[in-house]
Amino acid sequence: DTEVTQTPKHLVMGMTNKKSLKCEQHMGHRAMYWYKQKAKKPPELMFVYSYEKLSINESVPSRFSPECPNSSLLNLHLHALQPEDSALYLCASSQDASGGTMDTQYFGPGTRLTVL
Amino acid sequence: GDSVTQMEGPVTLSEEAFLTINCTYTATGYPSLFWYVQYPGEGLQLLLKATKADDKGSNKGFEATYRKETTSFHLEKGSVQVSDSAVYFCALSDNNTDKLIFGTGTRLQVFP
Repeated sequence: DTEVTQTPKHLVMGMTNKKSLKCEQHMGHRAMYWYKQKAKKPPELMFVYSYEKLSINESVPSRFSPECPNSSLLNLHLHALQPEDSALYLCASSQDASGGTMDTQYFGPGTRLTVL
Repeated sequence: GDSVTQMEGPVTLSEEAFLTINCTYTATGYPSLFWYVQYPGEGLQLLLKATKADDKGSNKGFEATYRKETTSFHLEKGSVQVSDSAVYFCALSDNNTDKLIFGTGTRLQVFP
């Protein structure tokens, strides 16, 4: 089973709202990722968690706040977003993200976020 | 830094035609290479991968061979179906940064 699940599937929020995206995997993977994908573009890496610790932050604005409560769960907390943050947010996981050999990343279906 | 270059789309084909989507890469070291597919309104699905030179990845009739001498990983399928219509992303793993480097994506449209 190579399934990564994400909720919600769609989210519409105002610029003053606080919301969270959730990602879950039960493959025993120890690395989890958040990507942002705009229309007709490839995914852009936002954050990487390795063994539940934040290992990469691609200079993402602080209105995006990741959290990894345990090895199976990854959240992305959203606050005071801008309309240009509207995009598809993808979660991915892999066996590991260290040691110089990157394992295959498996992606979830994404959350389509619209900021009004 | 490492990079991936894909052919511009869209690629438009009739059903049962032969498909080639070109992908070349620039990398230091020995990256793994991937093809991901994204169907409309969905996330990315791993289509196939190759981890070393001369490896051939294959899945669902798609194939790609890791060619170190030409730094290429072209995607091929002998007979496409309407259901193959999607965006295809070539990607490599950057072993120095633990990041996945994507190409810009190639949209494939297959008509009956």
